[in-house]
Amino acid sequence: EAGVAQSPRYKIIEKRQSVAFWCNPISGHATLYWYQQILGQGPKLLIQFQNNGVVDDSQLPKDRFSAERLKGVDSTLKIQPAKLEDSAVYLCASSLPGLGGYTFGSGTRLTVV
Amino acid sequence: KQEVTQIPAALSVPEGENLVLNCSFTDSAIYNLQWFRQDPGKGLTSLLLIQSSQREQTSGRLNASLDKSSGRSTLYIAASQPGDSATYLCAVLVGYNNNDMRFGAGTRLTVKP
Repeated sequence: EAGVAQSPRYKIIEKRQSVAFWCNPISGHATLYWYQQILGQGPKLLIQFQNNGVVDDSQLPKDRFSAERLKGVDSTLKIQPAKLEDSAVYLCASSLPGLGGYTFGSGTRLTVV
Repeated sequence: KQEVTQIPAALSVPEGENLVLNCSFTDSAIYNLQWFRQDPGKGLTSLLLIQSSQREQTSGRLNASLDKSSGRSTLYIAASQPGDSATYLCAVLVGYNNNDMRFGAGTRLTVKP
């Protein structure tokens, strides 16, 4: 079974630029999550999709962050414009309905300079 | 509000030692608890998943216990090896149907040869 795929692995941008991250979940996983992990902290949920609908985006800074999951499969997270405090690892995860746990991708490490 | 705490924040042990990592959570109303391993700048690898009705799970040299009533979980690593060096994160699922997973900040483990 292929895992959760994320790209790019690393990204360095200047503040006020835009950036996009891509995630392809495990085949058949209806639920997809984007997490932000700042150095030294645990991951924090940004947005959760069930198929192509948003379940929870309460912690997504909507003035600069956006995410979509067209066709209920892969997803894109965008930041525009980026701030220095957006430097973090962005993690994508997916799961089946129920209580079977999450599977995470390798993450995208973003550095904003 | 559910808060997850991991103590200690960092731990350094000589190779071969048995060790225990601690995780505590403030609200016992959880559906499951998952332990993850994270290498620097990388994604999360699931180690063990304990459902709320279970007391422990084992995988190789790892054993995780769960005491919901006291809001605690421990991850026991037997005969530690330098390759075990990583950050270990625990997370609790507070929403049914795989909604709302809350993470601790992690314990950074170093195993010295």
